Amino acid sequence: EVQLVESGGGLVQPGRSLRLSCAASGFTFDDYAMHWVRQAPGKGLEWVSGISWNSGITAFADSVKGRFTMSRDNAKNSLYLQMNSLRAEDTALYYCAKDIGGTITADDAFDIWGQGTMVTVSS
Amino acid sequence: QSVLTQPPSVSGAPGQRVTISCTGSSSNIGAGYDVHWYQQLPGTAPKLLIYRNSNRPSGVPDRFSGSKSGTSASLAITGLQAEDEADYYCQSYDSSLRVFGTGTKVTVL
Repeated sequence: EVQLVESGGGLVQPGRSLRLSCAASGFTFDDYAMHWVRQAPGKGLEWVSGISWNSGITAFADSVKGRFTMSRDNAKNSLYLQMNSLRAEDTALYYCAKDIGGTITADDAFDIWGQGTMVTVSS
Repeated sequence: QSVLTQPPSVSGAPGQRVTISCTGSSSNIGAGYDVHWYQQLPGTAPKLLIYRNSNRPSGVPDRFSGSKSGTSASLAITGLQAEDEADYYCQSYDSSLRVFGTGTKVTVL
């Protein structure tokens, strides 16, 4: 079964850091680009970041650029999002999503989604 | 501020046809980039509904169809059913980044 399972969310104070993980199974992980997409409570979807199949290219939304980094370990079929200098506006459900293709520099879709991990930034 | 604009809500009676628009610009849809559509049922993760403008993944009913023209795209649902009540999002590519539409809530009357 093709599956993505996120973990690492929780309650964190403004200015602190948090690292999210996503465990992939059921497909050849290192063939595909991967992404993080978030959804604030009651709001729409926002693409956060993406990484190519071989980690050669990463990209970030302007709202998180310089604060978030993204990495993957193809040997462990795992994806990571390191979130630093967290703000209240980063509060959201964070989804891990699989790309249809291998690069992030393309107009491709996300064909597999995890169930999400909730991040709450509050003092 | 999303670069892809959708109507906040659309509604229809069971069996009717509804359409959802996704309006972009010359830097995204108008530049020839593909549009994809997602369905998000209440309390669940989004699901890919239409990819590359008009293609349905395996398992998606043919009641759902997509099209693209100029700087806009549309999702049509024919034979509306109660289980279609959900949020729908378009997605494309702009300035080397993936972008989502503002989202549309479909209500079945």
